[in-house]
Amino acid sequence: GESVGLHLPTLSVQEGDNSIINCAYSNSASDYFIWYKQESGKGPQFIIDIRSNMDKRQGQRVTVLLNKTVKHLSLQIAATQPGDSAVYFCAENILGGSEKLVFGKGTKLTVNP
Amino acid sequence: NAGVMQNPRHLVRRRGQEARLRCSPMKGHSHVYWYRQLPEEGLKFMVYLQKENIIDESGMPKERFSAEFPKEGPSILRIQQVVRGDSAAYFCASSPQTGGGGTQYFGPGTRLLVL
Repeated sequence: GESVGLHLPTLSVQEGDNSIINCAYSNSASDYFIWYKQESGKGPQFIIDIRSNMDKRQGQRVTVLLNKTVKHLSLQIAATQPGDSAVYFCAENILGGSEKLVFGKGTKLTVNP
Repeated sequence: NAGVMQNPRHLVRRRGQEARLRCSPMKGHSHVYWYRQLPEEGLKFMVYLQKENIIDESGMPKERFSAEFPKEGPSILRIQQVVRGDSAAYFCASSPQTGGGGTQYFGPGTRLLVL
């Protein structure tokens, strides 16, 4: 559903470890999903996207997994670096429908050196 | 290749004043979106515009808020008679296309503080 005003979920990892950030999306009709990274004081930065006809997509050091059965999305970051520290949001959209993105709550990732 | 530009980056207004936020989309992008973000929350859609047209304003408050994207110049989000609850970060995004998963690219945001 829509984000609510709760404290952000947090994930703390050691530099070099792999990170997994999860997202439960709200609309079973959504067929396009995007992960954004937002550093403090900045706008969301596109990381990777995936369409519903896929269940996995890989980028540079990142992998997105989509499980439509349980409406779950995950972002995996390999060999996490201090520069990966940020808040990560998933966003969903319906292709051919409204153009608005619906954002999840966000997860704050902290990478310890 | 410049990204999405927004100005001002920070804006302070007193209650009752007007706030004007500007957004210049990426070169070649003709679709503009405005979102609002409260602290520790995700972004909430406000409005989607193409040149000279408001396509979807389902997220805009019915009063005091308006948006435009003229044929020439930046998109403007205007908030009249601001109240403290309007304090938030306002982000603009642009995309080159719609309907085909046109990725939205975001600007740095304008942080509005209403005193």
